[in-house]
Amino acid sequence: AQSVSQHNHHVILSEAASLELGCNYSYGGTVNLFWYVQYPGQHLQLLLKYFSGDPLVKGIKGFEAEFIKSKFSFNLRKPSVQWSDTAEYFCAATNAGKSTFGDGTTLTVKP
Amino acid sequence: SQTIHQWPATLVQPVGSPLSLECTVEGTSNPNLYWYRQAAGRGLQLLFYSVGIGQISSEVPQNLSASRPQDRQFILSSKKLLLSDSGFYLCAWTGQGGYGYTFGSGTRLTVV
Repeated sequence: AQSVSQHNHHVILSEAASLELGCNYSYGGTVNLFWYVQYPGQHLQLLLKYFSGDPLVKGIKGFEAEFIKSKFSFNLRKPSVQWSDTAEYFCAATNAGKSTFGDGTTLTVKP
Repeated sequence: SQTIHQWPATLVQPVGSPLSLECTVEGTSNPNLYWYRQAAGRGLQLLFYSVGIGQISSEVPQNLSASRPQDRQFILSSKKLLLSDSGFYLCAWTGQGGYGYTFGSGTRLTVV
């Protein structure tokens, strides 16, 4: 069965620090990969996605993620976080139209 | 533009009572529709998904059921709620290409 693992449950950073959130998936076939973000009091929304092509994908608000097929990973990165990036981040892998989500990582950015 | 509506936002129900949560999508046709449950500190667990009217797939055995009476309407139901049904329920849709989910605002269900 497909599964998604997010290694960090809670990350605390100071503003301007660099961010990397880990995500690994387990599925031998073709998957589409996503990162979603949920800001406090708001809906879950799509941050970025990978389907094929360039393994480095860029999303909204300066986020990017790199797909490394050999490592089954799709880590989320941002060079310099802001206080407004405080949110919960979910990695997801989709196959045959169904998505499996990781348990989420709560990011707290201290001003 | 496409929008997704989910209601109610919060619900407190006694054990043994019925449940009906509704989700509707506007601005698209033939969407794939999903019900997820989000537990605190956990990821999203897929409960049901539907690729068309009357077509429902259940991912986990449980006390809940789903129906899709119209193309853009997806309903989550229970005949008798259990305490363990408490949680945050999210409806989502995606187009046939599967280009990421659009989520509703969610329903916080508390069974007492």
